[in-house]
Amino acid sequence: EPEVTQTPSHQVTQMGQEVILRCVPISNHLYFYWYRQILGQKVEFLVSFYNNEISEKSEIFDDQFSVERPDGSNFTLKIRSTKLEDSAMYFCASSTATQYFGPGTRLLVL
Amino acid sequence: TQLLEQSPQFLSIQEGENLTVYCNSSSVFSSLQWYRQEPGEGPVLLVTVVTGGEVKKLKRLTFQFGDARKDSSLHITAAQPGDTGLYLCAGDMGGGSNYKLTFGKGTLLTVNP
Repeated sequence: EPEVTQTPSHQVTQMGQEVILRCVPISNHLYFYWYRQILGQKVEFLVSFYNNEISEKSEIFDDQFSVERPDGSNFTLKIRSTKLEDSAMYFCASSTATQYFGPGTRLLVL
Repeated sequence: TQLLEQSPQFLSIQEGENLTVYCNSSSVFSSLQWYRQEPGEGPVLLVTVVTGGEVKKLKRLTFQFGDARKDSSLHITAAQPGDTGLYLCAGDMGGGSNYKLTFGKGTLLTVNP
């Protein structure tokens, strides 16, 4: 069964460093998303992406964040200068209608 | 801000008991999804409901979407230890090409043998 994959599974970085989280959505899906889940809190929407552009972003998704679909298969989330409060699980999802989630990347900013 | 309130937040029951988990909102949703999430993993889709009043069954799990599409419930019959996990409801308000999901905080279910 097709699934969303994410790499790396874990990322530890120093505050102020740039990180790139990678996702491979399900191949025939057209909509792509990033969500995050801070430990013990609910899953929060960050950004949606369709037709090679951002369709909506939340207030969390500030200028430090960017997304890109560099080729036909990958979908990336870049955090330019990480802060301590960026520590969270980051989930990629893709859909045609119903969203399927990847296993997540656990980001720890020290 | 659309809010999805889930109740109860925690539920601990014995194997063989029945339970119901609720998901309520003041907003109308185009569709509502139920996911199950294990610690350190991503949400895994259980079901999508789209029509007001819709009932879907998945083995011992019964999902219902409210007539006004503002609330939903998940009923588990004869719970088993393997049902232990975090159950999340998530709704989308549809429209355009967005379909972003608003999540509830989840119900953490523990089924004791």
